[in-house]
Amino acid sequence: SQELEQSPQSLIVQEGKNLTINCTSSKTLYGLYWYKQKYGEGLIFLMMLQKGGEEKSHEKITAKLDEKKQQSSLHITASQPSHAGIYLCGATNQGGSEKLVFGKGTKLTVNP
Amino acid sequence: EAGVVQSPRYKIIEKKQPVAFWCNPISGHNTLYWYRQNLGQGPELLIRYENEEAVDDSQLPKDRFSAERLKGVDSTLKIQPAELGDSAVYLCASSLREKLFFGSGTQLSVL
Repeated sequence: SQELEQSPQSLIVQEGKNLTINCTSSKTLYGLYWYKQKYGEGLIFLMMLQKGGEEKSHEKITAKLDEKKQQSSLHITASQPSHAGIYLCGATNQGGSEKLVFGKGTKLTVNP
Repeated sequence: EAGVVQSPRYKIIEKKQPVAFWCNPISGHNTLYWYRQNLGQGPELLIRYENEEAVDDSQLPKDRFSAERLKGVDSTLKIQPAELGDSAVYLCASSLREKLFFGSGTQLSVL
């Protein structure tokens, strides 16, 4: 079965700093999803990447997919306290979202 | 448009008691998922429905867990009897195509 490894497990940054979270898959990626979760709450959809080399941005968050490396990165520019939370990557190794497997998450703390 | 609605938000029960969770997906979403998320872990799929049909329940512990999605809209997930290890957040999600939308979850504590 597909496994996703996220790094780092946790991250503490000062407000205004840039940061990167990585997600590496044990199998070929067909779709890579990034979600954000506040403690004890549901997952908020951020972005979905489907093609090798694809890059998407939303506000100050940019995600890239490196198909050859079976890896995705999430980059936050000029972090703010509102960016704090748990970032989860999810992936499918076949078409569609039926078999969406998640990593364990990266806990981000942004200190003002 | 309303998102995925789950209830209750929190539930505290004693072991061996039954418990049920309810989910109302986004209108028009044919696919409904139940995930379980343990502390410090990512969500794990329990069951997936396409309309009324459970198309993937391979990860559902069928000795104590059951689920239904009557009329292909709302869904309930039941645990009977609950065990200490069932303490987790139970998340419901729905999708129309590739994008999954999640509810706020039900946080279950089994004492």
